[in-house]
Amino acid sequence: GESVGLHLPTLSVQEGDNSIINCAYSNSASDYFIWYKQESGKGPQFIIDIRSNMDKRQGQRVTVLLNKTVKHLSLQIAATQPGDSAVYFCAESDNSGYSTLTFGKGTMLLVSP
Amino acid sequence: DSGVTQTPKHLITATGQRVTLRCSPRSGDLSVYWYQQSLDQGLQFLIQYYNGEERAKGNILERFSAQQFPDLHSELNLSSLELGDSALYFCASSVRQDNSPLHFGNGTRLTVT
Repeated sequence: GESVGLHLPTLSVQEGDNSIINCAYSNSASDYFIWYKQESGKGPQFIIDIRSNMDKRQGQRVTVLLNKTVKHLSLQIAATQPGDSAVYFCAESDNSGYSTLTFGKGTMLLVSP
Repeated sequence: DSGVTQTPKHLITATGQRVTLRCSPRSGDLSVYWYQQSLDQGLQFLIQYYNGEERAKGNILERFSAQQFPDLHSELNLSSLELGDSALYFCASSVRQDNSPLHFGNGTRLTVT
């Protein structure tokens, strides 16, 4: 498959484990955050988003936590499955009113059966 | 399937040439965004259009231009191509022009030889 990046941080987990992917952002004005999943040969796929007035948001098997004090975002995936293997990107947007997302470098998640 | 369609999937061309990448947004989405993904730079925002008008510009070179047509499809024109322009080019769309999830197509892989 195609690689979306070299020297990406990699998280290797066993099927069934919980995964936590971390992201640090630098723009204090950012008020909207999104996690994307990118599989080989495909475009980024929306997973979950959170606005700055929230600390936590849950979806199906995923939870996003936002710590504005230390400018940190995390994605928790429960009961990780082999199909979760992909590169995960966090993205942020500031309060300019336009959804021009700034993406992080990405983390590769490898799930072993 | 995100509902965003990009053509062509692959494009191989020579330095100095000009190419046009095409994007059809999801039905009902008025905003279109173009991103470039390269191995060393990650996902970089290029330009955004909303209902036919340019709304925001990112790190887009002067050799690159884009437009959004009345039927809301968009084209990204890349001219005087250089080897360093080889990358994946993604189009994304969203309903609004402010902070909301972007839905990405599967990209056009451009190779400049």
